[in-house]
Amino acid sequence: DTGVSQDPRHKITKRGQNVTFRCDPISEHNRLYWYRQTLGQGPEFLTYFQNEAQLEKSRLLSDRFSAERPKGSFSTLEIQRTEQGDSAMYLCASSLIPGGQSYYTFGSGTRLTVV
Amino acid sequence: KNEVEQSPQNLTAQEGEFITINCSYSVGISALHWLQQHPGGGIVSLFMLSSGKKKHGRLIATINIQEKHSSLHITASHPRDSAVYICAVTLIQGAQKLVFGQGTRLTINP
Repeated sequence: DTGVSQDPRHKITKRGQNVTFRCDPISEHNRLYWYRQTLGQGPEFLTYFQNEAQLEKSRLLSDRFSAERPKGSFSTLEIQRTEQGDSAMYLCASSLIPGGQSYYTFGSGTRLTVV
Repeated sequence: KNEVEQSPQNLTAQEGEFITINCSYSVGISALHWLQQHPGGGIVSLFMLSSGKKKHGRLIATINIQEKHSSLHITASHPRDSAVYICAVTLIQGAQKLVFGQGTRLTINP
């Protein structure tokens, strides 16, 4: 297992277009998190899954955002009708909970630029 | 006020200097994490602490639960230590999601 993989690494899109990002977590991890990071800031929580169930969504996640984790494996994050304010790094992380305190393993992120 | 505050926001030092980055939090936590982020975005977990002190190589992390404060120290700093260091906490309640500080940009000059 090579860790958490995110695809694509970079995405440039025109305003109004839809984009979809993919995250492949560590296979034994049951928790998967999506975070968003804007320039010069720490990441902010967007949503998380326990296996295939989406258990919490941040109010940052507007109706244009949707995330899925079919079969509790990989996850996708879709942004519809992108806006310039969506430009950010989208980070995925996975962990094994319960199991005591768990380290989080992060992917390398997908950098989205909306032009 | 953010739930997790780091200081300083930026730090520039000469190779060999002893580095300290501070983190204060205002919420109940089950653990505190120190993370390293290099240009390009990838985040690496350095430490997870719920009490006391941990050491890994030249890195030392401490936490004082009563004072809600943690420090990350780097001894004999090296230019390859240049990165953004982020403090994050796992909340006691909720999804065990991480709440992040804004990060400290560290630059070590040769």
